[in-house]
Amino acid sequence: QVQVVESGGGVVQPGRSLRISCAASGFTCSDYGMHWVRQAPGKGLEWVGVIWSDADGTNKYYADSVKGRFTVSRDNSKNTVDLQMNSLRVEDTAVYYCSRDVGARFGEWGQGTLVTVSS
Amino acid sequence: EIQMTQSPSSLSASVGDRVTITCRASQNIARYLNWYQLKPGKAPNLLIYKTSTLQSGVPSRFSGSGSGTGFTLTISSVQPEDVAIYYCQQTSDRLWWTFGQGTKVEI
Repeated sequence: QVQVVESGGGVVQPGRSLRISCAASGFTCSDYGMHWVRQAPGKGLEWVGVIWSDADGTNKYYADSVKGRFTVSRDNSKNTVDLQMNSLRVEDTAVYYCSRDVGARFGEWGQGTLVTVSS
Repeated sequence: EIQMTQSPSSLSASVGDRVTITCRASQNIARYLNWYQLKPGKAPNLLIYKTSTLQSGVPSRFSGSGSGTGFTLTISSVQPEDVAIYYCQQTSDRLWWTFGQGTKVEI
C-alpha cells in the first residue's frame, strides 16, 4: 500500500530550528519528486518546496516565503524525505504535509504534522 | 507566480443539489489544473487531475472542465460526505505550484 507519514512536529520558539520527516512506504522516494505543502490555521494550502527524483537531478525548489530558511533533503537508505526549518517565524505555524508527485499532480498525502512557532 | 482565484469562498447546499466551484488562473495554464478535497484531520485527497480526469476511487458525481484560465469543479448531486474544503491547484509552472484559496462546502 502506497502511503506517506509525516512526523516530528511540535512547539518551537521563534528563531529556532526544527526538522520534520516524511516516511514513504509502498514506493521508493528517490524515484519521485516529493513535495512539502503547509496549511496555516484558518488559511489555505501553500506549497513549500520540492525535491526531484534522482533521475531528475535531485533538484530542489522553494517558495519565496521559505527560501534560504528551509531545506528539503532525502535519505535513500531510510526512504524518507526531511524538511529542515531554520530561523522559524510565528507565521510558519502550520500543519505540514508531504506528497508524492505522480505527474503534474500530488498523489498520496499524509495526515500532516503540526508545527507551532510560539514564545 | 501564477495566482489562482476560486469562487465562491463558501457555499451551502442541500443534499442532491448540483454544486459548481470556479477557479481562475492569472495566466494560461492549458489544462494543468487539479482539484483536491480537504476534510478536518484527514489527508488531502486528489479528486481530479489535468482538468477533467477523475482520480481512481473518486465518485463519478465529481467532474471537472475548462482550459486556459477558467475551470470548474462540479458535484452533480452533493452528498453529506462531500462536506469539505475544495482547492484548485495549477501545475503548469513546475518551479512554483500554487493553490486557490479554497471553497468550503456545507450541507
